Amino acid sequence: EVQLVESGGGLVKPGGSLRLSCAASGFTFSRYSMNWVRLAPGKGLEWVSSITSSSYGSYADSVKGRFTISRDNAKKSLYLQMSSLRAEDTAVYYCARDSTNFDYWGQGTLVTVSS
Amino acid sequence: QSALTQPPSASGSPGQSVTMSCTGTSSDVGGYDYVSWYQKHPGKAPKLMIYEVTKRPSGVPDRFSGSKSGNTASLTVSGLQAEDEADYYCSSYAGSNNVVFGGGTKLTVL
Repeated sequence: EVQLVESGGGLVKPGGSLRLSCAASGFTFSRYSMNWVRLAPGKGLEWVSSITSSSYGSYADSVKGRFTISRDNAKKSLYLQMSSLRAEDTAVYYCARDSTNFDYWGQGTLVTVSS
Repeated sequence: QSALTQPPSASGSPGQSVTMSCTGTSSDVGGYDYVSWYQKHPGKAPKLMIYEVTKRPSGVPDRFSGSKSGNTASLTVSGLQAEDEADYYCSSYAGSNNVVFGGGTKLTVL
């Protein structure tokens, strides 16, 4: 059974940093592109970043230069290093599998940016 | 990376059909056959309902169907059931490994 479990969310002050993790199981992690998608309060889903199986990363304009996506295939884990956080980054962050069809999602981890 | 346009709400009575639209541009919806639809219930993870415009993942009822014409994709839910009440989001590949979502449509089963 495919499982994705996010962790690392929490309360952080504006300008601060946070690192999210996503632990994968039930599939050959190294073969798949992975993604981060967020859902802000009262807003719609927003694609944040993706990383290919060969570790090429892509970013939404809203986070480019502030967030860094990475993966550790040996640990079957996906990461999102977030820095220079802003209030508008407050959201539930989901990891999702695959490149264009996000076929499996984790339950999400809440990031709150507030002073 | 502009969001795709979805109507904020849609509704129908049990047993009826409802169609939701998702409008983009030739750089996303119109340029690729990689449109997906997701169902989102409050407090739950999004669920893939349709991918590559018309395909249904295993386990998704055939009451859900997708289509595309030009820069607009559509999701049709036939034989509405109470459990279909949820937010529905479309997404499209937008080139250069980027993906764009729509703002979501809240489906109400009357």
